[in-house]
Amino acid sequence: DTAVSQTPKYLVTQMGNDKSIKCEQNLGHDTMYWYKQDSKKFLKIMFSYNNKELIINETVPNRFSPKSPDKAHLNLHINSLELGDSAVYFCATRGEGPAQETQYFGPGTRLLVL
Amino acid sequence: TQLLEQSPQFLSIQEGENLTVYCNSSSVFSSLQWYRQEPGEGPVLLVTVVTGGEVKKLKRLTFQFGDARKDSSLHITAAQPGDTGLYLCAGVKGGGKLIFGQGTELSVKP
Repeated sequence: DTAVSQTPKYLVTQMGNDKSIKCEQNLGHDTMYWYKQDSKKFLKIMFSYNNKELIINETVPNRFSPKSPDKAHLNLHINSLELGDSAVYFCATRGEGPAQETQYFGPGTRLLVL
Repeated sequence: TQLLEQSPQFLSIQEGENLTVYCNSSSVFSSLQWYRQEPGEGPVLLVTVVTGGEVKKLKRLTFQFGDARKDSSLHITAAQPGDTGLYLCAGVKGGGKLIFGQGTELSVKP
């Protein structure tokens, strides 16, 4: 009964390929995020969705396209993968009411582009 | 632009020692959070500080928010090997947007 789950956990692929990472949450939260953590452990927000609508897009290249089929899912599709896309990608949700300051992170997807 | 400067980036200490991690910014945040991340997992929220000058304690961890709400510190007393991990501070902006510091990798040796 993991609150925020991501698949796959590891993804190794060739440059130029297209890949998707999936995120699912069972917390019933309206707001979901994608973050990228680079090799120096720096964590940066990429996108934010609220109830299936895009709220934040942090100047991420067009090759990255988030898709939210329903409130419980926020997937990340990446076209034409580049070496610099290698990183750990985290999905997160934001609590509501008294817990609205709390973000709940998934376990991460480790992407390696060769 | 890096809005949050976290220091030190790496810290290796012996069990029982005390340590302090600093998080400084030129920006004012509505609140500031500290997260802990273990290898292979996502960050987990430790604390949120909201009021300037606020001090919060979580067992051996003491968190402080600066009076001007631009900086924060995390102090660990009598560190234990179980405290090993990556500590991240994050400033909270509108819409729940988090601006993270570079992180502090703490290693506590038995």
